[in-house]
Amino acid sequence: AQKITQTQPGMFVQEKEAVTLDCTYDTSDQSYGLFWYKQPSSGEMIFLIYQGSYDEQNATEGRYSLNFQKARKSANLVISASQLGDSAMYFCAMRRPSGGYNKLIFGAGTRLAVHP
Amino acid sequence: DTGVSQNPRHKITKRGQNVTFRCDPISEHNRLYWYRQTLGQGPEFLTYFQNEAQLEKSRLLSDRFSAERPKGSFSTLEIQRTEQGDSAMYLCASSDLQGYSGNTIYFGEGSWLTVV
Repeated sequence: AQKITQTQPGMFVQEKEAVTLDCTYDTSDQSYGLFWYKQPSSGEMIFLIYQGSYDEQNATEGRYSLNFQKARKSANLVISASQLGDSAMYFCAMRRPSGGYNKLIFGAGTRLAVHP
Repeated sequence: DTGVSQNPRHKITKRGQNVTFRCDPISEHNRLYWYRQTLGQGPEFLTYFQNEAQLEKSRLLSDRFSAERPKGSFSTLEIQRTEQGDSAMYLCASSDLQGYSGNTIYFGEGSWLTVV
């Protein structure tokens, strides 16, 4: 069965420093997609970054990068130069290849607190 | 605002009452999803529509839950005879037919349900 594991319930980082949020996944599928979402206290799930299982290069989107290690089944999110506005819950998710639509399986999340 | 819109944002209801949530997806998005998120957990998939057709329902969607998407535009999620265990945030999301593209699923801000 597909599963996403986020082992860090909470993380602290100093403003302007980099932080890595861990994500491991379990799947027997060859084709899948991995996502990271940010959820501020308002509740909206904000898409950050996507990595396809066949993508050879790690995805990057501005200050966000995804450290994809396929053999280890890990997809860690790296946030460079943290900002106070980065304080939020962060969820790793995997898309199952069922019909092509975005049925996502989420991890339990990591709460990130950025300190000035 | 052209994002996914959900209302009401907050609903407090007495156990046994019926509640209905509405979701207006991004216009022209063919695919619409409902997820449920309880405190301290990531969202869990409930159901998926492609246009007006409901193509998949999770086992989480008991017979007290019904979702519709008439005319393939907005969607409603109704919970009948609410129970305290139904207290959660109900998230709606939409995407276009490019289902394999990572950044084409957009979430709303969610509807918080509290059953007292």
